[in-house]
Amino acid sequence: EPEVTQTPSHQVTQMGQEVILRCVPISNHLYFYWYRQILGQKVEFLVSFYNNEISEKSEIFDDQFSVERPDGSNFTLKIRSTKLEDSAMYFCASSRGLAGSEQYFGPGTRLTVT
Amino acid sequence: AQSVTQLGSHVSVSEGALVLLRCNYSSSVPPYLFWYVQYPNQGLQLLLKYTSAATLVKGINGFEAEFKKSETSFHLTKPSAHMSDAAEYFCAVSVDAGNQFYFGTGTSLTVIP
Repeated sequence: EPEVTQTPSHQVTQMGQEVILRCVPISNHLYFYWYRQILGQKVEFLVSFYNNEISEKSEIFDDQFSVERPDGSNFTLKIRSTKLEDSAMYFCASSRGLAGSEQYFGPGTRLTVT
Repeated sequence: AQSVTQLGSHVSVSEGALVLLRCNYSSSVPPYLFWYVQYPNQGLQLLLKYTSAATLVKGINGFEAEFKKSETSFHLTKPSAHMSDAAEYFCAVSVDAGNQFYFGTGTSLTVIP
């Protein structure tokens, strides 16, 4: 069964450093998403991506964040200058984008900013 | 705007007992509703979804949920809890193709042997 994969599983970085989180969505999906989950809190939407551009973003997704689909398979989230409060689990998801279609989530990348 | 409220951040049941996890939604348009399960250190796995077909939806692992428009609810149930059901459960709503999911705060289910 096809699945969403994410690398790395755990990333430790120092405050102010740039990080890139990588995802490989399911191949025939059209919509790609990033969510984050701060420890003990709910899953929060960051951004969705369709047809090579951002289709929605939340207020969390400020200028420090960017997304890219550099080739036909990868989908990346870049945090330009990490802050302590960026420490969270980051989930990538993808969907067919049809009405009512579920989103398939990857296993997540745990980002720890020290 | 859309939102989801999950009453009860922690629920404990005995093995073999009924599981009931509550979810109420707010949506200005007919919603699509989902239940996801998250096991420790894993991603979110879809349990079931409501997409305006049958109001009683059956999912994996013996779970089901009933969409009640009059109560704006989509509670998750399972007749008999199993130890392996211990996990975090999230209710989510979306309203259009490709749109973001709005998640509830989650309910942690503990199953007591």
